Amino acid sequence: DAKTTQPPSMDCAEGRAANLPCNHSTISGNEYVYWYRQIHSQGPQYIIHGLKNNETNEMASLIITEDRKSSTLILPHATLRDTAVYYCIVRVSGTASKLTFGTGTRLQVTL
Amino acid sequence: GAGVSQSPRYKVAKRGQDVALRCDPISGHVSLFWYQQALGQGPEFLTYFQNEAQLDKSGLPSDRFFAERPEGSVSTLKIQRTQQEDSAVYLCASSSRPQQTGTGVSYEQYFGPGTRLTVT
Repeated sequence: DAKTTQPPSMDCAEGRAANLPCNHSTISGNEYVYWYRQIHSQGPQYIIHGLKNNETNEMASLIITEDRKSSTLILPHATLRDTAVYYCIVRVSGTASKLTFGTGTRLQVTL
Repeated sequence: GAGVSQSPRYKVAKRGQDVALRCDPISGHVSLFWYQQALGQGPEFLTYFQNEAQLDKSGLPSDRFFAERPEGSVSTLKIQRTQQEDSAVYLCASSSRPQQTGTGVSYEQYFGPGTRLTVT
């Protein structure tokens, strides 16, 4: 699976949009971009995934650049409950494959 | 419905003791994964089961680590002769049969809360 690079930490004011970047310059054509988050003392939680089109669900939006070498996870109105470590993962779809986590981005949402 | 559960949530073991960590996946989930998470790090893959078959154990750090899922549901991760470097959170995740979504086939993994193992 392709390696990803994320900033170690970010801050965001409550109610504002949180934009979390991820670089995956060596991504292959059959690899998807997945985002998980891990709230303190809990297991990771799936957020969203995409291949090349922008995606949106009830939790977040995922913007993938046209060359697919980077992506941004957007939490449109961050709340204190969104404080967590966010992991960007690239993996081949079509298999029940393992997740390869990096060190992620620690997002701190503040009042 | 019920999610993935793990027990115990916390385990303290003396160096050299054997431990057994249990994972109850979501009912009907075919795939089961174990991960190890050291303090301040992301989870790292240990092993993967599809039903009762252990298809990948490439992440197990040593032959002291052993996992089983004899009936294709509950799984146990056993660590023999524990060492201090085994101290970590052990996470279990399960996944259903692949789901066709608008973004292709999804293999979303659902994680349990983890077992925090401390070896003294």
